[in-house]
Amino acid sequence: DVKVTQSSRYLVKRTGEKVFLECVQDMDHENMFWYRQDPGLGLRLIYFSYDVKMKEKGDIPEGYSVSREKKERFSLILESASTNQTSMYLCASSATSGPSNEQFFGPGTRLTVL
Amino acid sequence: LAKTTQPISMDSYEGQEVNITCSHNNIATNDYITWYQQFPSQGPRFIIQGYKTKVTNEVASLFIPADRKSSTLSLPRVSLSDTAVYYCLVGDFLHGSGNTGKLIFGQGTTLQVKP
Repeated sequence: DVKVTQSSRYLVKRTGEKVFLECVQDMDHENMFWYRQDPGLGLRLIYFSYDVKMKEKGDIPEGYSVSREKKERFSLILESASTNQTSMYLCASSATSGPSNEQFFGPGTRLTVL
Repeated sequence: LAKTTQPISMDSYEGQEVNITCSHNNIATNDYITWYQQFPSQGPRFIIQGYKTKVTNEVASLFIPADRKSSTLSLPRVSLSDTAVYYCLVGDFLHGSGNTGKLIFGQGTTLQVKP
C-alpha cells in the first residue's frame, strides 16, 4: 500500500526558531510536493521537486526552503518561523507515469508558531 | 494559470446522487481536470481525472463539456461516509512547460450528507 509519512502530526515552535518538516514516501516516486492548507484558502503549493536535488517554487515560497538529498525524502525548512506560518502542512508525492495529476498525500503536520 | 470556482458547501441526503460543478474558464489546452476528496485530519485523496467528455470509475463520474470551461463531479448514491471536502484541480504537472506546470486547487466544496 502506498504511503507518505510526515515526521510530526503536531508541532509547536516559537517565533524565530528554525523548523524542519520531514516527509518520506515509499513508492519510489520522482515528484514530491509541499503544500500549506488554511481555512478558506484551500491548498497552496509552496515548493515541489521532480528529482533529487531539484526544486521549483510553487505559489507561496517566501519564508520557506526545501531540500531533497534522497529520492524518498523531501524536507521543508522554515529558516525563522513567524506566526503567519501557523498552518497545516501537507506533503505529497506522485509518479511520472500514471494519471498526470494523481498525488498521494501524507496525514499532515499542524504547526503552531507562538 | 487556470483558476477554479466551486460552491463553498452543499447538503445532500443518503442515497441521493450529488453533482458538484467547478468552473475553470481559463483552462489551457494541456490541462487535465482532477478531483480530490479530503476528510478531517487527513490529506486529500485522488478521486478521478479527465480531459474531455465523460470518465467513470468505481467511485465517481466526471462530466466535461466540449468547451472544457467547467466540469461536474457526480457521486452516485452518497452515504454518510461521503461527507468531506471536495477539491477541483486544473493543470498538468507532468506535461507543463519544463516540468514546472502548476496545479491550482480550488477552495473546495464541503459536502454534508445527512441521514
